Amino acid sequence: GAVVSQHPSRVICKSGTSVKIECRSLDFQATTMFWYRQFPKQSLMLMATSNEGSKATYEQGVEKDKFLINHASLTLSTLTVTSAHPEDSSFYICSAPAREGFNYGYTFGSGTRLTVV
Amino acid sequence: QKEVEQNSGPLSVPEGAIASLNCTYSDRGSQSFFWYRQYSGKSPELIMFIYSNGDKEDGRFTAQLNKASQYVSLLIRDSQPSDSATYLCAALPRAGGTSYGKLTFGQGTILTVHP
Repeated sequence: GAVVSQHPSRVICKSGTSVKIECRSLDFQATTMFWYRQFPKQSLMLMATSNEGSKATYEQGVEKDKFLINHASLTLSTLTVTSAHPEDSSFYICSAPAREGFNYGYTFGSGTRLTVV
Repeated sequence: QKEVEQNSGPLSVPEGAIASLNCTYSDRGSQSFFWYRQYSGKSPELIMFIYSNGDKEDGRFTAQLNKASQYVSLLIRDSQPSDSATYLCAALPRAGGTSYGKLTFGQGTILTVHP
């Protein structure tokens, strides 16, 4: 089945630094990648949608200058959290639709636990 | 506001019992529905998807969809302790809209299967 590889799985960074999270589709081409954030005991919140070769679209309330998304190829999408602060500490997960189409489900990366100290 | 609501839980069932997880959705145009299982500290994994009215079975899992009632459910037969997790219901908006492709997730139901 479709696999989305997400790295790193855990990262601890100092306040004010930037962190890059990568998601790679290993056996299919992901023209679209969705980026979610999940706080403890809460459901997934969609942050943005990245499309290969075009600008990402951000959900209301998500700062595009803080959460930089790049989808430079059909197999790689990245999320960079710039000037991270403790309130950015969360579980970040990427997701790509099945190769057969949206109706057939979405594959999630393994997630990145970001802790900003 | 397009919403997906799940029964609040937590739900606790004994091993071997049937666990019933329920979900309602407000967007009548939603075309597909998904059940994901999420273990603590892990990312969601797809259990089943359904887009036609009726039942869909896969092993111990049965998804049920009733579009008239805007209701989706997941039954887990012969529940095992390894089924203990948070179950997320998600809806896919209709094709052609600006939100197409963006899943709307419910808040999740915590299931505990005790030996």
